[in-house]
Amino acid sequence: AQSVTQPDIHITVSEGASLELRCNYSYGATPYLFWYVQSPGQGLQLLLKYFSGDTLVQGIKGFEAEFKRSQSSFNLRKPSVHWSDAAEYFCAVKGMGNEKLTFGTGTRLTIIP
Amino acid sequence: DAGVIQSPRHEVTEMGQEVTLRCKPISGHNSLFWYRQTMMRGLELLIYFNNNVPIDDSGMPEDRFSAKMPNASFSTLKIQPSEPRDSAVYFCASSRHLGGRVNNEQFFGPGTRLTVL
Repeated sequence: AQSVTQPDIHITVSEGASLELRCNYSYGATPYLFWYVQSPGQGLQLLLKYFSGDTLVQGIKGFEAEFKRSQSSFNLRKPSVHWSDAAEYFCAVKGMGNEKLTFGTGTRLTIIP
Repeated sequence: DAGVIQSPRHEVTEMGQEVTLRCKPISGHNSLFWYRQTMMRGLELLIYFNNNVPIDDSGMPEDRFSAKMPNASFSTLKIQPSEPRDSAVYFCASSRHLGGRVNNEQFFGPGTRLTVL
């Protein structure tokens, strides 16, 4: 069975500081990995996705993520956060031939001035 | 593109009442997903359809929940009778299933916030 762990429930960073949100997955074969962002009262928006190829993927809003197979990780990074990045972030995984996305429990990001 | 459309955005009802949530997927998408989001359980997949056919309903919590997709542009999730523990945000998502390639992303609607008193 596939699963995702986001070990940090809540992270607070200062505006302008760098950010890294952790994601570990469990899947027996090559995973397809996603990061979604959810602003308060909104649906989920895709930030970026990894299917194959370059293990460093670029997304929208200046985010990037790196797939590390040896660590079963897909951490999300941003070099300098903006107040508008305050939201909840979800990592998700699915496998080839499977449409079911499995989500992590989410990390809530708070930005302080 | 209008995106995934859900209605209503908010629903408040009393225990025992029937609730119907509606979803219009993105035009051209042939897979549709219903999720439930709660503080306790996070995001859970309830059911998904491909080409209007239910493929996996293992996430549907109990017989009080049912979902239909009568055509490619409309789906409903019904709860009858509703209970307070059904209070949650219900999301609909759609994607385009490209044959053997299933590395397609899901696009989410804004959700319906359901409160059962």
